[in-house]
Amino acid sequence: AQTVTQSQPEMSVQEAETVTLSCTYDTSESDYYLFWYKQPPSRQMILVIRQEAYKQQNATENRFSVNFQKAAKSFSLKISDSQLGDAAMYFCAYRQGSGNTGKLIFGQGTTLQVKP
Amino acid sequence: DARVTQTPRHKVTEMGQEVTMRCQPILGHNTVFWYRQTMMQGLELLAYFRNRAPLDDSGMPKDRFSAEMPDATLATLKIQPSEPRDSAVYFCASGLSWYEQYFGPGTRLTVT
Repeated sequence: AQTVTQSQPEMSVQEAETVTLSCTYDTSESDYYLFWYKQPPSRQMILVIRQEAYKQQNATENRFSVNFQKAAKSFSLKISDSQLGDAAMYFCAYRQGSGNTGKLIFGQGTTLQVKP
Repeated sequence: DARVTQTPRHKVTEMGQEVTMRCQPILGHNTVFWYRQTMMQGLELLAYFRNRAPLDDSGMPKDRFSAEMPDATLATLKIQPSEPRDSAVYFCASGLSWYEQYFGPGTRLTVT
């Protein structure tokens, strides 16, 4: 069974600085997708970034980028120029690429605090 | 700006009562998911639908939970009878494709 592990329950960063959130996963599949979701205090889940396992190039969305290491089964999120609005809980998620299932398997989450 | 909507946003009920949570997926989305989030278990998939047909509800306690899509604009999750251990935030998500899911704001359920 696939598992997703976020080993950092809490992280903090100074405003305008860079922070990296860690995520590792376990799977025997070669075709899959990885995601980072943000959950602010409003509780809504917001897709931040996604990565297809077959792509070697790391995904980037504005200030958010990932470091995808397929062999190591690692998928970290880097937030550059951190802003107060980035404070939230961040979830790493995995989805198997084959078949019709849309199940996302989530990690336990990392709470990010941004200090002014 | 299309969004998934969920009602109610908060629900407090007594043990044994029926609870119904509603979700309006984004128009045109053909896949709908129900998740439950608790401190202990994290985020768990309860059920999901494609084109209104249930594809997988293995994450749902069958004896008390039921999920339906009466039409393409409404998904419901019912708990009958509710128990204190059902207290959680319930999320609905919808998507056009299987790899991108747009989450609603959630329903915070408290069962006393």
